[in-house]
Amino acid sequence: DAKTTQPPSMDCAEGRAANLPCNHSTISGNEYVYWYRQIHSQGPQYIIHGLKNNETNEMASLIITEDRKSSTLILPHATLRDTAVYYCIVRDNNDMRFGAGTRLTVKP
Amino acid sequence: EAGVTQSPTHLIKTRGQQATLRCSPISGHTSVYWYQQALGLGLQFLLWYDEGEERNRGNFPPRFSGRQFPNYSSELNVNALELEDSALYLCASSWGLAETDTQYFGPGTRLTVL
Repeated sequence: DAKTTQPPSMDCAEGRAANLPCNHSTISGNEYVYWYRQIHSQGPQYIIHGLKNNETNEMASLIITEDRKSSTLILPHATLRDTAVYYCIVRDNNDMRFGAGTRLTVKP
Repeated sequence: EAGVTQSPTHLIKTRGQQATLRCSPISGHTSVYWYQQALGLGLQFLLWYDEGEERNRGNFPPRFSGRQFPNYSSELNVNALELEDSALYLCASSWGLAETDTQYFGPGTRLTVL
Protein backbone atom coordinates (compact mmCIF):
# COMPACT_ATOMS: atom_id res chain seq x y z
CA ASP A 1 0.00 0.00 0.00
CA ALA A 2 1.09 3.55 -0.74
CA LYS A 3 2.36 5.45 2.27
CA THR A 4 0.99 8.77 1.04
CA THR A 5 -2.32 10.61 0.98
CA GLN A 6 -3.16 13.07 -1.78
CA PRO A 7 -6.35 14.90 -2.74
CA PRO A 8 -8.00 13.12 -5.67
CA SER A 9 -8.29 16.23 -7.81
CA MET A 10 -7.37 19.90 -8.04
CA ASP A 11 -7.88 22.72 -10.49
CA CYS A 12 -5.47 25.53 -11.28
CA ALA A 13 -5.71 28.57 -13.52
CA GLU A 14 -3.21 28.78 -16.34
CA GLY A 15 -0.24 30.94 -15.40
CA ARG A 16 -0.84 30.59 -11.69
CA ALA A 17 1.17 28.46 -9.28
CA ALA A 18 -0.13 24.95 -8.67
CA ASN A 19 0.47 23.69 -5.14
CA LEU A 20 -0.06 19.97 -4.75
CA PRO A 21 -0.06 18.65 -1.17
CA CYS A 22 0.97 15.22 0.04
CA ASN A 23 0.73 13.70 3.51
CA HIS A 24 3.22 11.03 4.53
CA SER A 25 2.86 10.95 8.31
CA THR A 26 4.53 7.52 8.70
CA ILE A 27 7.66 8.42 6.77
CA SER A 28 10.90 7.14 8.28
CA GLY A 29 14.27 8.82 8.40
CA ASN A 30 15.81 7.20 5.34
CA GLU A 31 12.81 7.44 3.04
CA TYR A 32 12.81 9.85 0.12
CA VAL A 33 9.84 11.75 -1.24
CA TYR A 34 9.49 11.42 -5.01
CA TRP A 35 7.09 13.12 -7.37
CA TYR A 36 6.08 11.85 -10.80
CA ARG A 37 3.33 12.82 -13.17
CA GLN A 38 1.46 10.82 -15.77
CA ILE A 39 -0.21 12.37 -18.74
CA HIS A 40 -3.02 10.23 -20.09
CA SER A 41 -1.79 6.66 -20.72
CA GLN A 42 1.84 7.72 -21.10
CA GLY A 43 4.71 6.54 -18.94
CA PRO A 44 5.18 8.46 -15.67
CA GLN A 45 7.54 11.41 -15.90
CA TYR A 46 10.01 12.09 -13.09
CA ILE A 47 9.64 15.56 -11.61
CA ILE A 48 11.69 15.94 -8.44
CA HIS A 49 12.69 14.23 -5.21
CA GLY A 50 14.04 15.12 -1.80
CA LEU A 51 14.94 13.75 1.61
CA LYS A 52 14.92 16.60 4.11
CA ASN A 53 15.74 19.85 2.36
CA ASN A 54 13.61 21.79 -0.06
CA GLU A 55 14.54 21.15 -3.67
CA THR A 56 14.10 23.07 -6.91
CA ASN A 57 14.74 22.16 -10.52
CA GLU A 58 13.64 23.43 -13.89
CA MET A 59 10.24 21.79 -13.55
CA ALA A 60 9.14 22.38 -9.98
CA SER A 61 9.94 23.03 -6.34
CA LEU A 62 9.49 20.55 -3.51
CA ILE A 63 8.81 21.86 -0.03
CA ILE A 64 9.16 19.29 2.78
CA THR A 65 7.99 20.21 6.28
CA GLU A 66 10.52 20.12 9.08
CA ASP A 67 8.92 17.01 10.62
CA ARG A 68 8.85 15.45 7.14
CA LYS A 69 5.25 14.37 7.57
CA SER A 70 4.03 16.30 4.57
CA SER A 71 5.29 17.97 1.44
CA THR A 72 4.09 20.26 -1.34
CA LEU A 73 4.97 20.17 -5.01
CA ILE A 74 4.89 23.61 -6.58
CA LEU A 75 4.58 24.22 -10.31
CA PRO A 76 5.34 27.95 -10.41
CA HIS A 77 3.54 28.88 -13.61
CA ALA A 78 1.12 26.15 -14.62
CA THR A 79 0.36 25.64 -18.30
CA LEU A 80 -2.31 23.57 -20.00
CA ARG A 81 0.36 20.93 -20.68
CA ASP A 82 0.76 20.42 -16.93
CA THR A 83 -2.67 18.77 -16.79
CA ALA A 84 -1.87 15.25 -15.52
CA VAL A 85 -2.09 12.88 -12.58
CA TYR A 86 0.61 13.73 -10.04
CA TYR A 87 1.96 10.99 -7.81
CA CYS A 88 3.72 11.53 -4.50
CA ILE A 89 5.78 8.50 -3.48
CA VAL A 90 7.70 7.67 -0.34
CA ARG A 91 10.44 5.16 -0.91
CA ASP A 92 13.51 3.66 0.71
CA ASN A 93 14.15 0.98 -1.83
CA ASN A 94 13.57 0.07 -5.42
CA ASP A 95 9.92 -0.79 -4.82
CA MET A 96 8.06 2.43 -5.64
CA ARG A 97 4.46 2.26 -4.47
CA PHE A 98 2.20 4.51 -6.48
CA GLY A 99 -1.06 5.61 -4.94
CA ALA A 100 -4.03 7.09 -6.77
CA GLY A 101 -2.36 10.49 -7.12
CA THR A 102 -3.92 13.92 -7.68
CA ARG A 103 -5.54 14.72 -10.99
CA LEU A 104 -4.50 18.31 -11.71
CA THR A 105 -6.51 20.16 -14.32
CA VAL A 106 -5.08 23.45 -15.55
CA LYS A 107 -7.80 25.67 -16.94
CA PRO A 108 -7.45 28.60 -19.37
CA GLU B 1 20.02 11.11 -24.93
CA ALA B 2 17.52 8.43 -25.84
CA GLY B 3 15.02 7.51 -23.18
CA VAL B 4 13.64 4.14 -22.20
CA THR B 5 12.07 2.39 -25.16
CA GLN B 6 9.48 -0.38 -25.15
CA SER B 7 8.07 -2.65 -27.83
CA PRO B 8 5.56 -3.34 -29.07
CA THR B 9 3.36 -0.32 -28.44
CA HIS B 10 0.24 -2.45 -28.52
CA LEU B 11 -0.20 -6.20 -28.20
CA ILE B 12 -3.39 -8.20 -28.58
CA LYS B 13 -3.54 -11.79 -27.38
CA THR B 14 -6.19 -14.32 -26.51
CA ARG B 15 -6.68 -16.00 -23.17
CA GLY B 16 -4.18 -18.79 -22.53
CA GLN B 17 -1.54 -17.44 -24.89
CA GLN B 18 1.86 -16.08 -23.94
CA ALA B 19 2.98 -12.46 -24.30
CA THR B 20 6.52 -11.14 -24.54
CA LEU B 21 7.23 -7.47 -23.90
CA ARG B 22 10.59 -5.81 -24.44
CA CYS B 23 12.39 -2.90 -22.87
CA SER B 24 15.64 -1.08 -23.63
CA PRO B 25 16.98 1.05 -20.79
CA ILE B 26 18.67 4.42 -20.97
CA SER B 27 22.29 4.01 -22.01
CA GLY B 28 24.43 3.36 -18.95
CA HIS B 29 21.55 2.22 -16.75
CA THR B 30 21.91 -1.31 -15.40
CA SER B 31 18.63 -1.66 -13.52
CA VAL B 32 15.30 -2.36 -15.19
CA TYR B 33 11.92 -2.38 -13.46
CA TRP B 34 8.54 -3.59 -14.67
CA TYR B 35 5.18 -2.25 -13.54
CA GLN B 36 1.58 -3.11 -14.38
CA GLN B 37 -1.09 -0.44 -14.61
CA ALA B 38 -4.56 -1.84 -15.06
CA LEU B 39 -7.23 0.52 -16.36
CA GLY B 40 -8.12 3.12 -13.76
CA LEU B 41 -5.68 1.72 -11.22
CA GLY B 42 -2.28 2.76 -9.95
CA LEU B 43 1.04 1.27 -10.93
CA GLN B 44 1.84 -2.08 -9.35
CA PHE B 45 5.49 -3.15 -9.06
CA LEU B 46 6.20 -6.39 -10.91
CA LEU B 47 9.92 -7.11 -11.18
CA TRP B 48 13.36 -5.58 -10.74
CA TYR B 49 16.45 -6.73 -12.64
CA ASP B 50 19.97 -5.55 -12.12
CA GLU B 51 23.18 -6.83 -13.72
CA GLY B 52 21.27 -9.72 -15.22
CA GLU B 53 19.79 -10.93 -11.94
CA GLU B 54 16.25 -10.76 -10.60
CA ARG B 55 16.56 -8.66 -7.44
CA ASN B 56 12.96 -8.35 -6.31
CA ARG B 57 9.44 -9.14 -7.43
CA GLY B 58 6.05 -7.83 -6.49
CA ASN B 59 2.96 -9.76 -5.49
CA PHE B 60 2.31 -11.41 -8.85
CA PRO B 61 1.98 -15.11 -9.75
CA PRO B 62 4.94 -17.03 -11.23
CA ARG B 63 3.45 -16.88 -14.71
CA PHE B 64 4.85 -13.34 -14.76
CA SER B 65 8.55 -13.71 -15.38
CA GLY B 66 11.35 -12.05 -17.24
CA ARG B 67 15.01 -11.74 -17.81
CA GLN B 68 17.72 -9.20 -18.40
CA PHE B 69 20.24 -9.58 -21.17
CA PRO B 70 23.98 -8.73 -21.10
CA ASN B 71 23.23 -5.41 -22.83
CA TYR B 72 20.82 -4.63 -19.94
CA SER B 73 17.69 -4.81 -22.09
CA SER B 74 14.89 -6.84 -20.62
CA GLU B 75 11.94 -9.02 -21.49
CA LEU B 76 8.75 -9.53 -19.54
CA ASN B 77 6.93 -12.77 -20.25
CA VAL B 78 3.38 -13.42 -19.23
CA ASN B 79 2.25 -17.03 -19.61
CA ALA B 80 -1.27 -18.45 -19.64
CA LEU B 81 -2.80 -15.03 -20.20
CA GLU B 82 -5.96 -14.15 -18.34
CA LEU B 83 -8.45 -11.42 -19.15
CA GLU B 84 -7.37 -9.44 -16.09
CA ASP B 85 -3.82 -9.23 -17.44
CA SER B 86 -5.06 -6.55 -19.82
CA ALA B 87 -3.13 -3.46 -18.76
CA LEU B 88 -0.44 -0.94 -19.60
CA TYR B 89 2.94 -2.49 -18.83
CA LEU B 90 5.59 0.05 -17.99
CA CYS B 91 9.32 -0.39 -17.92
CA ALA B 92 11.67 1.92 -16.04
CA SER B 93 15.44 2.05 -15.75
CA SER B 94 17.96 3.52 -13.34
CA TRP B 95 21.71 3.65 -12.75
CA GLY B 96 21.45 0.83 -10.23
CA LEU B 97 23.92 2.47 -7.88
CA ALA B 98 21.49 2.73 -4.98
CA GLU B 99 18.06 1.41 -4.23
CA THR B 100 16.68 4.94 -4.28
CA ASP B 101 18.06 5.83 -7.71
CA THR B 102 15.62 7.80 -9.79
CA GLN B 103 13.65 5.56 -12.13
CA TYR B 104 12.87 6.81 -15.63
CA PHE B 105 9.90 5.31 -17.42
CA GLY B 106 9.25 4.26 -20.97
CA PRO B 107 6.01 4.87 -22.88
CA GLY B 108 4.58 1.46 -22.05
CA THR B 109 3.09 -1.51 -23.89
CA ARG B 110 -0.68 -1.78 -23.94
CA LEU B 111 -1.58 -5.49 -23.63
CA THR B 112 -5.13 -6.50 -24.43
CA VAL B 113 -6.26 -10.05 -23.67
CA LEU B 114 -9.41 -11.17 -25.45
